[in-house]
Amino acid sequence: QKEVEQDPGPLSVPEGAIVSLNCTYSNSAFQYFMWYRQYSRKGPELLMYTYSSGNKEDGRFTAQVDKSSKYISLFIRDSQPSDSATYLCAMSNYQLIWGAGTKLIIKP
Amino acid sequence: KAGVTQTPRYLIKTRGQQVTLSCSPISGHRSVSWYQQTPGQGLQFLFEYFSETQRNKGNFPGRFSGRQFSNSRSEMNVSTLELGDSALYLCASSPTGTDKGEQFFGPGTRLTVL
Repeated sequence: QKEVEQDPGPLSVPEGAIVSLNCTYSNSAFQYFMWYRQYSRKGPELLMYTYSSGNKEDGRFTAQVDKSSKYISLFIRDSQPSDSATYLCAMSNYQLIWGAGTKLIIKP
Repeated sequence: KAGVTQTPRYLIKTRGQQVTLSCSPISGHRSVSWYQQTPGQGLQFLFEYFSETQRNKGNFPGRFSGRQFSNSRSEMNVSTLELGDSALYLCASSPTGTDKGEQFFGPGTRLTVL
């Protein structure tokens, strides 16, 4: 079993929909939780960064961490075609572990 | 601030050759990490350098090596190239290191081994 599980998708939704992306993990020691976005033929870029539990909001993006369930989520409101990308979750205690990435397609 | 730069952006080599990739981190960042990304395996950690010392290493054979210079610039070398080494090689810099996870990636070097 991988330390971090992420459905690779693809996840296809219509423009304007609310998108929910998720990762589960097994190591309860993780304290730092991140979401990265990667466009085709580009390097990943840090989208959301959360320490410990709780929610964090930035514009149309909300990151949630539920340490009791070992589950993190990224919500995208009012999704746009420009949000089409691969979204990678990552988490760390002393070692950074990456999810496989979920390919998201927003249909106009 | 200028972002992370990687050179070259594209590279074509043949089996058995060796290759050196270069990475210039964001100014002031002392940590540089290297990753291999392929469609099948996703993002795999190669190694991290911090202040010229290798701090962490992933599960790759000894053909993959790296180094960091006093100005934080880093190079990665792959010797005796194999077809399976074809991938996007990403460099990421960080002010503190991979342990807290905040990393800034370059555009990558796409290596094709024929």
